[in-house]
Amino acid sequence: GAGVSQSPRYKVAKRGQDVALRCDPISGHVSLFWYQQALGQGPEFLTYFQNEAQLDKSGLPSDRFFAERPEGSVSTLKIQRTQQEDSAVYLCASSRPGQGTDTQYFGPGTRLTVL
Amino acid sequence: AQSVTQLGSHVSVSEGALVLLRCNYSSSVPPYLFWYVQYPNQGLQLLLKYTSAATLVKGINGFEAEFKKSETSFHLTKPSAHMSDAAEYFCAVSRPSGTYKYIFGTGTRLKVLA
Repeated sequence: GAGVSQSPRYKVAKRGQDVALRCDPISGHVSLFWYQQALGQGPEFLTYFQNEAQLDKSGLPSDRFFAERPEGSVSTLKIQRTQQEDSAVYLCASSRPGQGTDTQYFGPGTRLTVL
Repeated sequence: AQSVTQLGSHVSVSEGALVLLRCNYSSSVPPYLFWYVQYPNQGLQLLLKYTSAATLVKGINGFEAEFKKSETSFHLTKPSAHMSDAAEYFCAVSRPSGTYKYIFGTGTRLKVLA
């Protein structure tokens, strides 16, 4: 079946621009995660949704970062007034509900470059 | 708090040789542990996971890992490396409750020499 998809795959933004990154999770997956992967580093947790509820946003680095999942399916990560330090790959993952043993399935990521 | 340490950011092995990638974790509660592989310009793919059942876990592509509580380790091994194993490998830990978010190590890039 279809996996997690993300768009765009690549995004170049000028410093100060706003960007929106989209994630389409696997159908029926209730849990959705966003991670940020800087060059040469492991992914770092940003935020977590269960259905449309954002239950954990402790990893968002600043109030310029905002995520939503209004209908409990597609999610959008928005970054306002982008800065060079926001350059990274943004990964989305989804999993079935409720169990920590459930595997997180990752999308290919969106590589954001801020000039 | 939970954390993961991967010793060796780069590991090189000859084709056919043993692969050993090291992962040590820190967790105040019984952890769940994962190994993921990442090929260039692709997302992370699960190799195997430990979720408090058998301590020796077998995964895809001939990889396995052993959970050793006394050593707080979850090292990844494969008896014989293939050229196709060249990739970046990430160890991750999560809690069995709450957010289930993963805490990742910094990764180990595996190079396989012909």
